[in-house]
Amino acid sequence: GAGVSQSPSNKVTEKGKDVELRCDPISGHTALYWYRQSLGQGLEFLIYFQGNSAPDKSGLPSDRFSAERTGGSVSTLTIQRTQQEDSAVYLCASSLYPGAGEAFFGQGTRLTVV
Amino acid sequence: GENVEQHPSTLSVQEGDSAVIKCTYSDSASNYFPWYKQELGKRPQLIIDIRSNVGEKKDQRIAVTLNKTAKHFSLHITETQPEDSAVYFCAASIQGAQKLVFGQGTRLTINP
Repeated sequence: GAGVSQSPSNKVTEKGKDVELRCDPISGHTALYWYRQSLGQGLEFLIYFQGNSAPDKSGLPSDRFSAERTGGSVSTLTIQRTQQEDSAVYLCASSLYPGAGEAFFGQGTRLTVV
Repeated sequence: GENVEQHPSTLSVQEGDSAVIKCTYSDSASNYFPWYKQELGKRPQLIIDIRSNVGEKKDQRIAVTLNKTAKHFSLHITETQPEDSAVYFCAASIQGAQKLVFGQGTRLTINP
């Protein structure tokens, strides 16, 4: 597709379960970001991938959160033992180069932990 | 690392008036400053950006100004319309070398 694609668009899970969120960036984009956005709040940085460099994990809120990016393309964000405070919209974005030009956002995954 | 502060967090203006949102950044090496607009329930989208080799850029009713000495940049919206109501985010980065760092966002409401 032409844009950044995220799946699923909505996810309801029980507290304590693990979830995987997927991001398909725009083909050829080397930079990929994950953000979390709680209702009415700003963009909370989670993790940043750039090419083959080690990811910047400085925004991950706890060791229950992890992410990987395979082959420099698709990325998955995994949340283990989900808690109610993990409920939010998780946004992925990609750009051609780090900080260069437009960062394109996906439509987000709305995660609800019940 | 870079830190971006954005003010105000909320802004309410009358339709037809101007709106100004301000951001400051900490890393003097930053050279790329985009602005994103996020309408309710939608994804953020780029509306305008500026690079450090210029001081101002305009696109119809929207303009961005940059003061590198003071390390701040601003978004100006003139003749505001109801469809300008949204959350606006500023960001800063070192182009080609550093990730985008976003401000906290400004919720702009245009009152009819």
